[in-house]
Amino acid sequence: AQSVTQPDIHITVSEGASLELRCNYSYGATPYLFWYVQSPGQGLQLLLKYFSGDTLVQGIKGFEAEFKRSQSSFNLRKPSVHWSDAAEYFCAVGPPSNNDMRFGAGTRLTVKP
Amino acid sequence: KAGVTQTPRYLIKTRGQQVTLSCSPISGHRSVSWYQQTPGQGLQFLFEYFSETQRNKGNFPGRFSGRQFSNSRSEMNVSTLELGDSALYLCASSSTSGNDNEQFFGPGTRLTVL
Repeated sequence: AQSVTQPDIHITVSEGASLELRCNYSYGATPYLFWYVQSPGQGLQLLLKYFSGDTLVQGIKGFEAEFKRSQSSFNLRKPSVHWSDAAEYFCAVGPPSNNDMRFGAGTRLTVKP
Repeated sequence: KAGVTQTPRYLIKTRGQQVTLSCSPISGHRSVSWYQQTPGQGLQFLFEYFSETQRNKGNFPGRFSGRQFSNSRSEMNVSTLELGDSALYLCASSSTSGNDNEQFFGPGTRLTVL
């Protein structure tokens, strides 16, 4: 069965510091992996996705993620965090043939001034 | 291009009532998926409609149902509401069911059951 684990419920970083949010997945085939961001009271916005090819994926807002098959991980990174990055981040895995995505529990990011 | 729209944005109902939520996908998108988001269970897949047919269903009771119209707009219905149905209901649309299944999410409908 497919599943996603985000080990960190809440992370606090200082503005300007680097960020890494962890995501581990369980999936029986080649996964389609996603990172979404959700601001309070809003829907989900896609940051980046991995389907195949280059394992380092660039997304919007300066985010990137690296797919590591050997570690079943798809960690999200940003070199320098901005106050506006404070939000909840969700990692998701989905099969190629339908839209039944499975989401992690989310990681809430707080940015200190 | 307009994004996914959901109506209403907020809804308050009492136990035992029923509710209908609406989702208008991005123009040209034929797939609509529904998700329930709660603090305790997180984001859970409800069902997906493609070309007016339910193609996939999550693990929710039969009180949760949906449909899709010929213009791809979708409605979700919850009957005999329970307190635990209080949640943010998110709708997402995508253009196809193929390999590029990027979904675009609407802002959600916040349902409160009293």
